[in-house]
Amino acid sequence: SQTIHQWPATLVQPVGSPLSLECTVEGTSNPNLYWYRQAAGRGLQLLFYSVGIGQISSEVPQNLSASRPQDRQFILSSKKLLLSDSGFYLCAWSVSGAGNTIYFGEGSWLTVV
Amino acid sequence: GNSVTQMEGPVTLSEEAFLTINCTYTATGYPSLFWYVQYPGEGLQLLLKATKADDKGSNKGFEATYRKETTSFHLEKGSVQVSDSAVYFCALSEPGGYQKVTFGIGTKLQVIP
Repeated sequence: SQTIHQWPATLVQPVGSPLSLECTVEGTSNPNLYWYRQAAGRGLQLLFYSVGIGQISSEVPQNLSASRPQDRQFILSSKKLLLSDSGFYLCAWSVSGAGNTIYFGEGSWLTVV
Repeated sequence: GNSVTQMEGPVTLSEEAFLTINCTYTATGYPSLFWYVQYPGEGLQLLLKATKADDKGSNKGFEATYRKETTSFHLEKGSVQVSDSAVYFCALSEPGGYQKVTFGIGTKLQVIP
């Protein structure tokens, strides 16, 4: 069966520090991968998606970036965090096809102080 | 573009009450429809889905029917429990190589004993 893991689960970072959140999927090949952000009390915002290794599309302009160095690995990064980057970050995956479902990781809580 | 509309809540119900959370959508094609549930501090879990008109998705006592004529996918449960307290997201995805998913804002449900 397929599983998705992301880490760290919680982190507190000072303004201006770098960020790296990692996500891996197991049990499937060539998944579509996603990073979402959920600000407190808000809905989901799609940040990045990837349909293959090295292929990254950004949905919103920001100081975050994403990379996909391996088929089932997706990394969210920042060189310098802003206070507004605080939130709950969710990695997700899906397999292309009609009716296929998007599955989420456990989430990572980021607090920028 | 695609959109999903649902009430933000919070919806407060007594235990064993009947639940309805409305969801309507706008889509250019023939989307698949989903309900996700998010318990406090956790990622999103798929609750149920329907892939074509008149399909009924069901899970854990929850049901939703894909109504193409009214572009709706309302979530219902006959008797809610305190453990159902969570945020519920309606979502749609269009078929294709890239599974872009559009989420509603999420409806917070509070069930009191």
